Amino acid sequence: AQSVTQLGSHVSVSEGALVLLRCNYSSSVPPYLFWYVQYPNQGLQLLLKYTSAATLVKGINGFEAEFKKSETSFHLTKPSAHMSDAAEYFCAVSVDNAGKSTFGDGTTLTVKP
Amino acid sequence: DGGITQSPKYLFRKEGQNVTLSCEQNLNHDAMYWYRQDPGQGLRLIYYSQIVNDFQKGDIAEGYSVSREKKESFPLTVTSAQKNPTAFYLCASSMKRFYEQYFGPGTRLTVT
Repeated sequence: AQSVTQLGSHVSVSEGALVLLRCNYSSSVPPYLFWYVQYPNQGLQLLLKYTSAATLVKGINGFEAEFKKSETSFHLTKPSAHMSDAAEYFCAVSVDNAGKSTFGDGTTLTVKP
Repeated sequence: DGGITQSPKYLFRKEGQNVTLSCEQNLNHDAMYWYRQDPGQGLRLIYYSQIVNDFQKGDIAEGYSVSREKKESFPLTVTSAQKNPTAFYLCASSMKRFYEQYFGPGTRLTVT
């Protein structure tokens, strides 16, 4: 079975500061990993994905994530936060023999001016 | 433009009534999904379908039903048996079952 844990339901940073959102996964087979962003009252939008190619994945809006198999982690980072980054972020894992993805509980990012 | 449409954006119903939420995609995706989202609870999978005329229960299927008669369409019916139906409902699709998902804008259902 696959699972995802997002550490910290709320993260607050100042504008211009580093953003770090944590995600750990559990999977018995090689996983596919995703980060999605959700703005209020909207659907989710894919930020980036890991599909067993490069371990450092670059996504939209300046975000990137690094797949670390030894730590079973896929943390999301952005060097400098912008006010428009304030949203909810979801980590998700999928494996080839499953029919679905498993989502974490989400992390709400607040950006202070 | 390709994408997923959900209608309506807001839906109000009286308790005891069944209600059907629409989900249509023109991405030619095989797999489609329905999720329920409540404040502070992330996404919970209701039903998913990998192929026409076939679907599987997710984690919280009780009180819901679906059909997949066409590749493009995956409507969700919230029945009167669903004890707490007020929530934000999201539909999604993916090319293959383990690929990234594309989400619709959601339907906010309020039952009073």
